[in-house]
Amino acid sequence: SQKIEQNSEALNIQEGKTATLTCNYTNYSPAYLQWYRQDPGRGPVFLLLIRENEKEKRKERLKVTFDTTLKQSLFHITASQPADSATYLCALDFTGGGNKLTFGTGTQLKVEL
Amino acid sequence: SQTIHQWPATLVQPVGSPLSLECTVEGTSNPNLYWYRQAAGRGLQLLFYSVGIGQISSEVPQNLSASRPQDRQFILSSKKLLLSDSGFYLCAWNPAGGTGELFFGEGSRLTVL
Repeated sequence: SQKIEQNSEALNIQEGKTATLTCNYTNYSPAYLQWYRQDPGRGPVFLLLIRENEKEKRKERLKVTFDTTLKQSLFHITASQPADSATYLCALDFTGGGNKLTFGTGTQLKVEL
Repeated sequence: SQTIHQWPATLVQPVGSPLSLECTVEGTSNPNLYWYRQAAGRGLQLLFYSVGIGQISSEVPQNLSASRPQDRQFILSSKKLLLSDSGFYLCAWNPAGGTGELFFGEGSRLTVL
């Protein structure tokens, strides 16, 4: 079956370091993959979308890579700050139609002073 | 700019009671609309999506139903709530024909007792 896997263990890092989160998926070749941020008790907020023909995409301190051979996306936050503490979700549409995003369970990031 | 409103934010309901959650989007026309549920410690589960007035697709068999009486209004309902209906319900939208990134509302926390 098709599924998305994110590390369920929280990631604790020190302020100023680079945080790296992993998203693995199975049995599909998506046209694009998305990353969202979710704060406790709030709805997810869209961060980045990367397409299958893009190896890397950047937005300010965020960087996403997409390896369609490994079926993996890596999400990096450089110079991390306590305000970056949140749960980060990856998502993709296994149907290819763009209307049915499947989300991973997310990885909680904690940036400590 | 586009905004999405979802209410109520929090509700506590007894088992067997009805449910109505409402979502409206402003600043856009003919959006795709979605209802997701997020149970504690689990990922987002797509419940319903709609590409137009009166057009509802259900993703999982359940005790819930959805309706889209107007272009920018999406309603989630139940005639008789179950304990298992407890969770965090999120409405979302994206532009028709877009690349799929979703814009979420603030969510409705439902506790069924």
